Amino acid sequence: QSVLTQPPSASGTPGQRVTISCSGSSSNIGNNYVNWYQQLPGTAPKLLIYRNNQRPSGVPDRFSGSKSGTSASLAISGLRSEDEADYYCGAWDDSLSVVAFGGGTKVTAL
Amino acid sequence: EVQLVQSGAEVKEPGESLKISCKGSGYSFTTFYLAWVRQKPGKGLEWMGVIYPDDSDTRYSPSFQGQVTISADKSISTAYLQWSSLKASDTAMYYCASADTAILSELESWGLGTQVTVSS
Repeated sequence: QSVLTQPPSASGTPGQRVTISCSGSSSNIGNNYVNWYQQLPGTAPKLLIYRNNQRPSGVPDRFSGSKSGTSASLAISGLRSEDEADYYCGAWDDSLSVVAFGGGTKVTAL
Repeated sequence: EVQLVQSGAEVKEPGESLKISCKGSGYSFTTFYLAWVRQKPGKGLEWMGVIYPDDSDTRYSPSFQGQVTISADKSISTAYLQWSSLKASDTAMYYCASADTAILSELESWGLGTQVTVSS
């Protein structure tokens, strides 16, 4: 059971907006930055969003992140087939002294 | 450009020891944090621990404390993950990842992973 809670799956048709939630507590999301990772099939994870809502160089602006209280979300605007991947949220947990990850959300383009 | 090159896949028997490596290049190895992340087949990401190569300060997840050893040799820009006695449950992909700030959850660069298979 993961410290951060994500839905196991999300889907949309190409061009749609898809949102993934990440729920935590005051010891993790509530008091620390949230980062999002994209893992394409058979590859290593890649940093997609850092410090709640910042995009690394090269990440398309259709990906955006937000945080409110003890929850965060990742939005994909204009879903593309190449966005099919597993997405993980991550944050430091002050109580456990670990980087906590969500269980991952598999995004499918229908 | 930060590059993390991991050692190749390993197949071991239960009870054997193992040390896998992660060589950094393209950045100041000693001043970036280097973490290890486990991913079991079909499962999510698990943070195992992190080392700061400049002074070898190491932190472990309680789930992995005592089960593995994280170390680094800054003279060759290489970090290691070591087991003294492998179990079948250690079968997984292991990734190294770097963070250039003290925000340890901000893992900017990742290695390709080392597949470890433990089977008799």
